[in-house]
Amino acid sequence: QKEVEQNSGPLSVPEGAIASLNCTYSDRGSQSFFWYRQYSGKSPELIMSIYSNGDKEDGRFTAQLNKASQYVSLLIRDSQPSDSATYLCAVTRTGNQFYFGTGTSLTVIP
Amino acid sequence: ETGVTQTPRHLVMGMTNKKSLKCEQHLGHNAMYWYKQSAKKPLELMFVYSLEERVENNSVPSRFSPECPNSSHLFLHLHTLQPEDSALYLCASSQEGLHTDTQYFGPGTRLTVL
Repeated sequence: QKEVEQNSGPLSVPEGAIASLNCTYSDRGSQSFFWYRQYSGKSPELIMSIYSNGDKEDGRFTAQLNKASQYVSLLIRDSQPSDSATYLCAVTRTGNQFYFGTGTSLTVIP
Repeated sequence: ETGVTQTPRHLVMGMTNKKSLKCEQHLGHNAMYWYKQSAKKPLELMFVYSLEERVENNSVPSRFSPECPNSSHLFLHLHTLQPEDSALYLCASSQEGLHTDTQYFGPGTRLTVL
């Protein structure tokens, strides 16, 4: 069983729509959760981090965490073509345990 | 220079060559990481250094040998690699190496093993 699972996509949404990206993880002991964005040919960069159940909003981005369901999601409101990238879900816990998903490719269509 | 830098950006080597990848962070962080990114696979954590001490080695083959001479520099020494080692090698740093830390990635070295 993979530590972190994401739908690889591609996910296509029209400009201005809401993009919903999902991630599940296998270890209930996971403690910290991150969404990174990776443009083609570039390195990952942090979008959001979330550590407790519920929603966390930052501009057009909302991260949602449900530890009981072992599920974390990222919503992108008013999607823009510049949001087109691969989104990586990362799950970490103590003891230098850092796990990434394979990423979901998002395309925002103008 | 700002952030995390890596050199070289591209490397082609034969299976009998010896080469080294270099990473430098200008963020004042205490932890540094090497990751391998292959197509269609998740980022794989290879090594973690915290305050220049190796704290994690995720069953990486001995043909990969890391070195961390100080908290700003990290090397990955390569020898007798296999074609399946061809990948993007990413260096990252974080403040303390805690599970809550954001990791900041360098641009990566694209490695091709012939």
